[in-house]
Amino acid sequence: NAGVTQTPKFQVLKTGQSMTLQCAQDMNHNSMYWYRQDPGMGLRLIYYSASEGTTDKGEVPNGYNVSRLNKREFSLRLESAAPSQTSVYFCASLTGTSGKETQYFGPGTRLLVL
Amino acid sequence: AQSVTQLGSHVSVSEGALVLLRCNYSSSVPPYLFWYVQYPNQGLQLLLKYTSAATLVKGINGFEAEFKKSETSFHLTKPSAHMSDAAEYFCAVSEIPNKYIFGTGTRLKVLA
Repeated sequence: NAGVTQTPKFQVLKTGQSMTLQCAQDMNHNSMYWYRQDPGMGLRLIYYSASEGTTDKGEVPNGYNVSRLNKREFSLRLESAAPSQTSVYFCASLTGTSGKETQYFGPGTRLLVL
Repeated sequence: AQSVTQLGSHVSVSEGALVLLRCNYSSSVPPYLFWYVQYPNQGLQLLLKYTSAATLVKGINGFEAEFKKSETSFHLTKPSAHMSDAAEYFCAVSEIPNKYIFGTGTRLKVLA
């Protein structure tokens, strides 16, 4: 099992460029998440998907779109990147809906927007 | 609404000393509580979790945490710090299914 994988690991964009961050999990989990991590702010939820075909906004969704392509894959798209989106992005997954399940995290994507 | 406060963004301890990382939460219902660890350039890994069973929860690498409802706290402790414990630690709370709120993190430095 690879767990949760993310691509790319690093990316540099210019303001206004677009890109898609990819995430895949091989644990047959129902729920998947996208977080961003900024110094001193911990992890903030961007979007999540409770099951295939559903997505919901988190705390900081502006400037992002997501697609739950199938049960395995959950992508995050920046349509027009801004310097404020410079961050480390983490994808996570878990199974179940009770709230006490463990989230499994990917290794992260470091994004720099110039 | 649920929230998490981690006191101290940076904590330094000597090798072999007690580790105490503080976490207080706010929740309108009995919460589920988690501690995660993040090593440099890696994702988060679960250390331990409280899910309404025993109030003293033991996790990996010798860490444990005690749920204290009266104090709304879930502090993380380890009796003797090791150099390999240097990392960033995050407390998280889940009150609503599928919604997890993370604290701002505490970076632990272990001094030789």
